[in-house]
Amino acid sequence: GENVEQHPSTLSVQEGDSAVIKCTYSDSASNYFPWYKQELGKRPQLIIDIRSNVGEKKDQRIAVTLNKTAKHFSLHITETQPEDSAVYFCAASIRGSQGNLIFGKGTKLSVKP
Amino acid sequence: DAGVTQSPTHLIKTRGQQVTLRCSPKSGHDTVSWYQQALGQGPQFIFQYYEEEERQRGNFPDRFSGHQFPNYSSELNVNALLLGDSALYLCASSLAGSVNEQYFGPGTRLTVT
Repeated sequence: GENVEQHPSTLSVQEGDSAVIKCTYSDSASNYFPWYKQELGKRPQLIIDIRSNVGEKKDQRIAVTLNKTAKHFSLHITETQPEDSAVYFCAASIRGSQGNLIFGKGTKLSVKP
Repeated sequence: DAGVTQSPTHLIKTRGQQVTLRCSPKSGHDTVSWYQQALGQGPQFIFQYYEEEERQRGNFPDRFSGHQFPNYSSELNVNALLLGDSALYLCASSLAGSVNEQYFGPGTRLTVT
């Protein structure tokens, strides 16, 4: 079945460094790839997304890249800050779905001051 | 502009009981999807409702059922609760049509004892 693998499961960086989280997906029909940030006890919040007709998208310190041929996409956070500490989930749209998503298992990012 | 709301916040039930969770979508949205998030895992898609009908379903047993009302709000019902049903239940709203971003509610934490 469809699958999304996410690495690493935990990531610790110093404040100001960059963080990169990588995901691979199995369904070649997936065409929408969002990233969610979930702080402890809170809802997942959409932070950036990319569609299959685009290779890269940036929003201030956050960027996402997509390689459709290799079926992988990555989240890049530059100049990390302590408030970036959270669990990050990648997701991919399910084949033939109207927006429903299959999620990775998450990456716990810790930014040390 | 109201975001996605869910009730109740927390719920404790006993094995074998039944539970109903509620969700109101973000203003202007007409589609509601339900996800189950076990501790330390990414959300898993349960089903989606649009025009008061279940449009898609993930790999969940028939004990999980739902409903959507004319005002687009939705309910998730779980019968014959098992210990393994303990999780955070998230509702996400979106616009119908092609793949669109989903906005999550704060979730209902269900504990089955």
